[in-house]
Amino acid sequence: GQNIDQPTEMTATEGAIVQINCTYQTSGFNGLFWYQQHAGEAPTFLSYNVLDGLEEKGRFSSFLSRSKGYSYLLLKELQMKDSASYLCAVVDSNYQLIWGAGTKLIIKP
Amino acid sequence: DVKVTQSSRYLVKRTGEKVFLECVQDMDHENMFWYRQDPGLGLRLIYFSYDVKMKEKGDIPEGYSVSREKKERFSLILESASTNQTSMYLCASSFRTSGSWTETQYFGPGTRLLVL
Repeated sequence: GQNIDQPTEMTATEGAIVQINCTYQTSGFNGLFWYQQHAGEAPTFLSYNVLDGLEEKGRFSSFLSRSKGYSYLLLKELQMKDSASYLCAVVDSNYQLIWGAGTKLIIKP
Repeated sequence: DVKVTQSSRYLVKRTGEKVFLECVQDMDHENMFWYRQDPGLGLRLIYFSYDVKMKEKGDIPEGYSVSREKKERFSLILESASTNQTSMYLCASSFRTSGSWTETQYFGPGTRLLVL
């Protein structure tokens, strides 16, 4: 079967750094997406990784290791507005997205 | 900016009613998708369409049907609503994937449906 694992919930402090992990087992791999979803709102695109390594985009970075079936999203200089759910999605061999259940990130002052 | 709109943010329907959820995108995307999102579960694909009048079943198509008569519009139909279809419904659209590059999906704000 296909499986995406993320922690259900994480808590971090404003100004700190947090790493949200995603491990996957899928039939084939054609990339991995991270989306941000604020409560009651639509998911919005954060990053797409298809090659191994770290991609940095401002305060957010995303890392991929295809051999380990592992990705993480790194958020630096946390702000209160970063409180949201973070969704990991893997593109399988049929170019379909397989979604994780999401990680709810709570930022405390 | 890509805009995906959905006809309602909140809906309350009775068991057995026919329910229409509409989605419109303004970016000339070929692909459109309907998902449902439930607590503790990842997004689950109900149906998708890669062209006008084309549709493909996703992971959980039972109890649903879709219609795509125009490129910009994709409708989800619950033929006879049941309480287990209470959920958040999300529409998304994207350009057609070419080669090995998967296009980003852009989401609408969602419709929260309650079936009583």
